[in-house]
Amino acid sequence: QKEVEQNSGPLSVPEGAIASLNCTYSDRGSQSFFWYRQYSGKSPELIMFIYSNGDKEDGRFTAQLNKASQYVSLLIRDSQPSDSATYLCAVPFHSGGYQKVTFGTGTKLQVIP
Amino acid sequence: GAVVSQHPSRVICKSGTSVKIECRSLDFQATTMFWYRQFPKQSLMLMATSNEGSKATYEQGVEKDKFLINHASLTLSTLTVTSAHPEDSSFYICSARDVGGEQFFGPGTRLTVL
Repeated sequence: QKEVEQNSGPLSVPEGAIASLNCTYSDRGSQSFFWYRQYSGKSPELIMFIYSNGDKEDGRFTAQLNKASQYVSLLIRDSQPSDSATYLCAVPFHSGGYQKVTFGTGTKLQVIP
Repeated sequence: GAVVSQHPSRVICKSGTSVKIECRSLDFQATTMFWYRQFPKQSLMLMATSNEGSKATYEQGVEKDKFLINHASLTLSTLTVTSAHPEDSSFYICSARDVGGEQFFGPGTRLTVL
């Protein structure tokens, strides 16, 4: 069983601060990693993906990957109340000839105005 | 990005009845669709992988006779919850994968079984 672990939170940060979300995974062979944002009662939406060690930046979001330590993180700069949501870490793996995805339990982020 | 729709968005049914949920990829062809279930405060759990023209592959612990999946075309997959019971109440989400390998999620269907 491929495992993806996240702290469920809630993580509370003041508006304008940096929110740091972390995820660890069990499969050392995993090559790609996704971050999804899920608002309450809605489906997840992809916000970032990363394949290589190091940092990947997209606007206010930065994904960081450290394959040796098997963790991936998401930084949100200048956090806004609209960023308040649950952030899911997802790791694809191959099983039975298909590429499937294992999701972490998600970290709930609360940005306080 | 690509759009995936689900219908209905919300359904309430009596215990023992069957409910069909449709998942459509609106502007791309999806040879593979996935069905997930999400209970409150929990993550998405993959139920099954659906392939056009072939039998679905179910994850361990998911009853294939209870959750019937039909992938009739490259743009449509259906999930039928047969003889639904209150413990089947959940948020059911489908996703469709395009030729580039990216997954696009439908908006979800909230099922409440009374």
